[in-house]
Amino acid sequence: GEEVAQTPKHLVRGEGQKAKLYCAPIKGHSYVFWYQQVLKNEFKFLISFQNENVFDETGMPKERFSAKCLPNSPCSLEIQATKLEDSAVYFCASSGRQFLDTEAFFGQGTRLTVV
Amino acid sequence: AQTVTQSQPEMSVQEAETVTLSCTYDTSESNYYLFWYKQPPSRQMILVIRQEAYKQQNATENRFSVNFQKAAKSFSLKISDSQLGDTAMYFCAFRNRNSGNTPLVFGKGTRLSVIA
Repeated sequence: GEEVAQTPKHLVRGEGQKAKLYCAPIKGHSYVFWYQQVLKNEFKFLISFQNENVFDETGMPKERFSAKCLPNSPCSLEIQATKLEDSAVYFCASSGRQFLDTEAFFGQGTRLTVV
Repeated sequence: AQTVTQSQPEMSVQEAETVTLSCTYDTSESNYYLFWYKQPPSRQMILVIRQEAYKQQNATENRFSVNFQKAAKSFSLKISDSQLGDTAMYFCAFRNRNSGNTPLVFGKGTRLSVIA
């Protein structure tokens, strides 16, 4: 499609439960990015993919966070054993029909609340 | 590492007036892109304007324009004829052009309120 689709819009998890977020990038885009926007509005880069391959994972908290982009499936971001501090809005963005395509198109985000 | 600083956490402007949002950045790169994104209460991230560092001419999109000062590493956004719909968070962002499709580095945002 011509927009980045993120599901679900809202997700509530008890502390210690698993959370899984999904992102369908714009068709034909090669790059997918995940960002975390915490309640202070600050954005933190988590991970990026070039097609199915991890491109940059320097922002990922490795212990509980994992992500995948598999062929013919939405990309996913999974948080094992959620903590209160994981409460945030998680944005997915896609770009790059061309190698140096500049614009990143954002999904509407998934608001995760850990209680 | 690149950093982006927005020194104005909140601003307000009267409808139809002009407002300028500040942004400075720090980088050792010479080739990069700068962006302003708007985030209304709906949370949707909307690209407002983009500037390529190698272009001296300031970008303009309708009522939105930038003042790009490369030597000073400054990238301010001017909104003319402010409208109520301009009320939103505004984020300045940097992207390195030389490292493939690199992630955006965001400032902390400026909350703009347009007052009737």
